[in-house]
Amino acid sequence: GENVEQHPSTLSVQEGDSAVIKCTYSDSASNYFPWYKQELGKRPQLIIDIRSNVGEKKDQRIAVTLNKTAKHFSLHITETQPEDSAVYFCAAKRAGGSQGNLIFGKGTKLSVKP
Amino acid sequence: DVKVTQSSRYLVKRTGEKVFLECVQDMDHENMFWYRQDPGLGLRLIYFSYDVKMKEKGDIPEGYSVSREKKERFSLILESASTNQTSMYLCASRDSGRAYSEQFFGPGTRLTVL
Repeated sequence: GENVEQHPSTLSVQEGDSAVIKCTYSDSASNYFPWYKQELGKRPQLIIDIRSNVGEKKDQRIAVTLNKTAKHFSLHITETQPEDSAVYFCAAKRAGGSQGNLIFGKGTKLSVKP
Repeated sequence: DVKVTQSSRYLVKRTGEKVFLECVQDMDHENMFWYRQDPGLGLRLIYFSYDVKMKEKGDIPEGYSVSREKKERFSLILESASTNQTSMYLCASRDSGRAYSEQFFGPGTRLTVL
């Protein structure tokens, strides 16, 4: 069945360093890949997304890259800050008439040490 | 500003009880979703609804049912709660009129079944 694999499950970096989280997806027809951030005790919120017709997208310190051939996409956070500490989820939109359903990865817990 | 609310933040029930989790959104979204979130398993889709009285099973529908009598409200029902349904339950909604629209999440209900 459709699947999204996310790695690593935990990631610890020093403040100011970069962090990279990687995801692979199984359905080659998926065309939308959002990333959600969930701070402790809060709801997941969209931080960036990318469509399949684009290879890279940036928003200040965060960027997402997509390799359709390899079916993987990555989140890059530069100059990490303590407030970046959270669980990050990647997702892929299911193809076909699926009403915008997303398949989520299992999450990456990012800890940024001051 | 989209607002998705859930009826309870914390709920404690006993095995065998019928449990209702309520979700309300105020942005006239057609699509609504119920997920459960467990450590190490990410967000897993239980059921979704693409319109009033319309519903489809997600990835883990066993033991659950849903009801959507009004566009703004989507209810998750545990017919006979079991201890393995102890989890965090998240509701979400999105605008189906846009192909790549964001899913907005509620704050979650942490359900404990004793």
